[in-house]
Amino acid sequence: SQTIHQWPATLVQPVGSPLSLECTVEGTSNPNLYWYRQAAGRGLQLLFYSVGIGQISSEVPQNLSASRPQDRQFILSSKKLLLSDSGFYLCAWNMEDDGYTFGSGTRLTVV
Amino acid sequence: RKEVEQDPGPFNVPEGATVAFNCTYSNSASQSFFWYRQDCRKEPKLLMSVYSSGNEDGRFTAQLNRASQYISLLIRDSKLSDSATYLCGQGSGNTGKLIFGQGTTLQVKP
Repeated sequence: SQTIHQWPATLVQPVGSPLSLECTVEGTSNPNLYWYRQAAGRGLQLLFYSVGIGQISSEVPQNLSASRPQDRQFILSSKKLLLSDSGFYLCAWNMEDDGYTFGSGTRLTVV
Repeated sequence: RKEVEQDPGPFNVPEGATVAFNCTYSNSASQSFFWYRQDCRKEPKLLMSVYSSGNEDGRFTAQLNRASQYISLLIRDSKLSDSATYLCGQGSGNTGKLIFGQGTTLQVKP
């Protein structure tokens, strides 16, 4: 069966520090991969998605970047965090037009 | 106008009540729709896919109205455990990506 792993679960980082969040999927090949952010009390905002290795599409311009170095690995990064980067970061995968399966999320607080 | 819109609520209902949520969408070409449930401080989990013919899973019924461009979720005989935020998602092209509404919060009271 397919599983999705996301870590860390919680992160507190100072303003200006770098960020790296990792997401891996097991049990499938060539999944579509997504990064979302959910600010407190808000909806899900799509940040990046990838339909294959090295293929990254950005939905909104911001202080973040994404990479897909391997088929089932998706990384979200920042060189310098801002206070506004705080939120609940969720990785998700699907195949074609199916519904998503989300990872358990990373709660990031920038202080 | 947002691509997917939901009434954020909260909807406060007594146990046993029937409650319905609607979600409007703007991309008329979309072929896939979903309802997700999100508990506090947890990831969203797929509740139901929404099919053109409508579909039912126990106390939950989802329907799609293409003419008016909305999907609905009906919960019958509400339980305390149904308290959560319900997110609708619309497929947005062949990339498989979903656009979500803001979510509707449901509180079921004893």
